[in-house]
Amino acid sequence: DTAVSQTPKYLVTQMGNDKSIKCEQNLGHDTMYWYKQDSKKFLKIMFSYNNKELIINETVPNRFSPKSPDKAHLNLHINSLELGDSAVYFCASSFRGTNSPLHFGNGTRLTVT
Amino acid sequence: DQQVKQNSPSLSVQEGRISILNCDYTNSMFDYFLWYKKYPAEGPTFLISISSIKDKNEDGRFTVFLNKSAKHLSLHIVPSQPGDSAVYFCAAIIQGAQKLVFGQGTRLTINP
Repeated sequence: DTAVSQTPKYLVTQMGNDKSIKCEQNLGHDTMYWYKQDSKKFLKIMFSYNNKELIINETVPNRFSPKSPDKAHLNLHINSLELGDSAVYFCASSFRGTNSPLHFGNGTRLTVT
Repeated sequence: DQQVKQNSPSLSVQEGRISILNCDYTNSMFDYFLWYKKYPAEGPTFLISISSIKDKNEDGRFTVFLNKSAKHLSLHIVPSQPGDSAVYFCAAIIQGAQKLVFGQGTRLTINP
């Protein structure tokens, strides 16, 4: 199936831990994104990569580090997790420079206890 | 500062009637607008879009209207069906900027 897939779907961890979320797309897109949906349900962009190059880096704590080994993958590593990091994280992909819509993964619900 | 706002967190409509979801934006630089639909435990999926050079775009039961002077857009679904029950997100972008800005969503419930 052509899709954006992210793992894990659920992630429960304690404060201070380091965790990673993986994302892969097989749609042939050249741009990938991480969005965060907070408790108020807003979807806010965190990062965007185009062909492995960082093009958008919003005001995100540097505990969050995206890594793109190739244009089909964009992983998100989070160091020293805090309670406020609890949210749903969505990966997405698209073609850059066009009006092609973003295709989203099904999200990773991160709960920090 | 939320540049895209959906002021109705929820909307309930009877099956077969029209559903109207509203969205307001503040940034006059936005020139492309999209609606996404989201089911529980899934990611948002693209529904319909409109460029700022148009004031209406239609796709089957879905029509998006854009009023640039009011910085307002709306999504009309007619007739509404039970499968339309979902959260609808309005989004806006400055073309070429690659940064899609979302509203907070409206939960639509279609009652039989």
